[in-house]
Amino acid sequence: QQQVKQSPQSLIVQKGGISIINCAYENTAFDYFPWYQQFPGKGPALLIAIRPDVSEKKEGRFTISFNKSAKQFSLHIMDSQPGDSATYFCAASRVGTDKLIFGTGTRLQVFP
Amino acid sequence: EPEVTQTPSHQVTQMGQEVILRCVPISNHLYFYWYRQILGQKVEFLVSFYNNEISEKSEIFDDQFSVERPDGSNFTLKIRSTKLEDSAMYFCASSEAAGQAEQFFGPGTRLTVL
Repeated sequence: QQQVKQSPQSLIVQKGGISIINCAYENTAFDYFPWYQQFPGKGPALLIAIRPDVSEKKEGRFTISFNKSAKQFSLHIMDSQPGDSATYFCAASRVGTDKLIFGTGTRLQVFP
Repeated sequence: EPEVTQTPSHQVTQMGQEVILRCVPISNHLYFYWYRQILGQKVEFLVSFYNNEISEKSEIFDDQFSVERPDGSNFTLKIRSTKLEDSAMYFCASSEAAGQAEQFFGPGTRLTVL
């Protein structure tokens, strides 16, 4: 119930392509869904976040799509660049807590 | 740009020893967190701290763990008697507000228990 399942574990994309990472959850009390980006040797950094009252949020090349009925959300990176190569974590939390439940992470490699 | 800092970057200790991991949160932040990431696994919540009290803790955060804000800038995680399974990367985070405000993470301390 508390888990967030993330796939794929790793992803290789060519420069200019679209990277898609998927997450699914069980707990319907979750109402905040951030995505974090982590470069080697650094801590996770917030990339973009969404709440379930919208189905999509876009910031630059990064878009979150949210499907409340399916309890799934995904990160789309358009025009992927080598500088996007990092590990991406989806996360979730519910009202009344700041505790983030993280997915298992996706290692993205973008090749020129 | 303000950032969360952590020291040391790598700590090696013998099983049964006490370790203290240190964090300096962003200066105007009031909410503080510790997470850990065992190698190859997901990031896991340990504890949240506000107004000199623990707000929430996970089942991982047992009596071996404690947190403290000893002064106006540092936030520490103490592990009293380390076990092999405590080996992990420990991340400190801070946020300006509660209610799902952005949490800013430090670079982590890699703890290796031998």
